[in-house]
Amino acid sequence: GQNIDQPTEMTATEGAIVQINCTYQTSGFNGLFWYQQHAGEAPTFLSYNVLDGLEEKGRFSSFLSRSKGYSYLLLKELQMKDSASYLCAVGSGGSYIPTFGRGTSLIVHP
Amino acid sequence: DVKVTQSSRYLVKRTGEKVFLECVQDMDHENMFWYRQDPGLGLRLIYFSYDVKMKEKGDIPEGYSVSREKKERFSLILESASTNQTSMYLCASSSTSGSFGELFFGEGSRLTVL
Repeated sequence: GQNIDQPTEMTATEGAIVQINCTYQTSGFNGLFWYQQHAGEAPTFLSYNVLDGLEEKGRFSSFLSRSKGYSYLLLKELQMKDSASYLCAVGSGGSYIPTFGRGTSLIVHP
Repeated sequence: DVKVTQSSRYLVKRTGEKVFLECVQDMDHENMFWYRQDPGLGLRLIYFSYDVKMKEKGDIPEGYSVSREKKERFSLILESASTNQTSMYLCASSSTSGSFGELFFGEGSRLTVL
């Protein structure tokens, strides 16, 4: 099985930077995903990491360390619309079926 | 624009009723999934399908069944609904050809069982 941990809730200020961590234990790792989910809406894909290092995409970046079983999602220049749940998901084994963590609810305040 | 469509956004059913949740995708994806999402528990996989007429159990299949008669359609069936099946149900699809398996989700179906 897999064990995926991420903080339940985080708060941050508009304009600031926030880092959401995700740790995992799995066998046959084949990638880590981050999804964003606004309240009442479907999750939408943010990023995918399969190799170690940082992937940057605009205000959002995602980092992976396979040896440490660790990833983070970095959100810069926070906006109120970034208030959402952020879901870490890990793919393993021979399939592309990700297992999801419980999600981190991010609240951005003025 | 790619799309996964779930037939009902909100349903209210009574205990013991048979419930059908329908999902259609227009991306010609091979893989389709049903998840349920509950506060504090995150997304949990109920069933998935790699191909037409194929189905595999996920982590929590008890009390559910699925049907995939056509590639674009994946149905979730609750044979006899119970109150502990009150939840948000999310359908998703993905491709295995030339991709890493990014999931595309529908808007969700919020089911209340009374």
